Amino acid sequence: QVQLQESGPGLVKPSQTLSLTCNVSGSSINSPAYYWSWIRQSAGKGLEWIGRFCIDGTIRYNPSLKSRVSITADASNNQFFLTLESVTAADTAIYYCAREIPIDWFDPWGHGLLVTVSS
Amino acid sequence: SYELTQPPSVSVSPGQTATIPCSGGNLGQKYISWYRQKPGQSPVLVIYQDKKRPSGIPERISGSSSGNTATLTISGAQAMDEADYYCQAWDFGTGVFGGGTKVTVL
Repeated sequence: QVQLQESGPGLVKPSQTLSLTCNVSGSSINSPAYYWSWIRQSAGKGLEWIGRFCIDGTIRYNPSLKSRVSITADASNNQFFLTLESVTAADTAIYYCAREIPIDWFDPWGHGLLVTVSS
Repeated sequence: SYELTQPPSVSVSPGQTATIPCSGGNLGQKYISWYRQKPGQSPVLVIYQDKKRPSGIPERISGSSSGNTATLTISGAQAMDEADYYCQAWDFGTGVFGGGTKVTVL
C-alpha cells in the first residue's frame, strides 16, 4: 500500500522560508514511472498544484509560484521536499504531497499538513 | 491562465442521480480526473482519464466528456456521497483544478 506523509513546521513567519518533507512508503521515488507532486489547498483559492519532481530529472513548477518554489528529493531515504521562499499570509494552506501518474492523475495523496503564515 | 469551472453546489435526493459539470476551453483534447474530498480528509481519486474508475470506486460513480464539458455522475446517491468533488486537467504541463462542487444528499 502506497502511503505519503507530510511533515514540517505548522507555523512560519512572514518573509521566511517554508520547508516541508514528504515521506513515501510502498513506492520508490527512484522509479521513473512516477512523478511526485506538491499541491496546496487554501480557503481562498481551492486546490493549487505547486510542482513536481521525477528521478529522471523532470522538474516543473506552477508558473504562479515558480520564482519562489523549489522541489528536491533524497532518494536514499525515499523522501522529497518543498521549499517556498518569502512567504506571506496568502501562502497559508493545507499542503499535500501526492504521487502523480505523469501528466495524468494524482493517487494517492498524503494526509495534508496545515501551514499558517503569521507573525 | 487556464481555468476549469464547476458549480459551487449540487443537491440530490437519496437514490436519485447527481451530475457535476466541469467546463474548460479545449477540454475535449485533455484527460480529466475527478477527486472526492470529505471534511477533514485528503482528496481521493474517483475517476481518471475521463471515465475510468480506480479499484474500490463503485460503478454508480461514472465520468464522461463531450466538447468542452466533462461530467461526473453519481447514480443512486447515498449519504456517503456527500463531499466536495474536484475536476482536474493539465494545461501545457501545469496542473489545474476546478473550484470544487459541494454535493449535498437530502
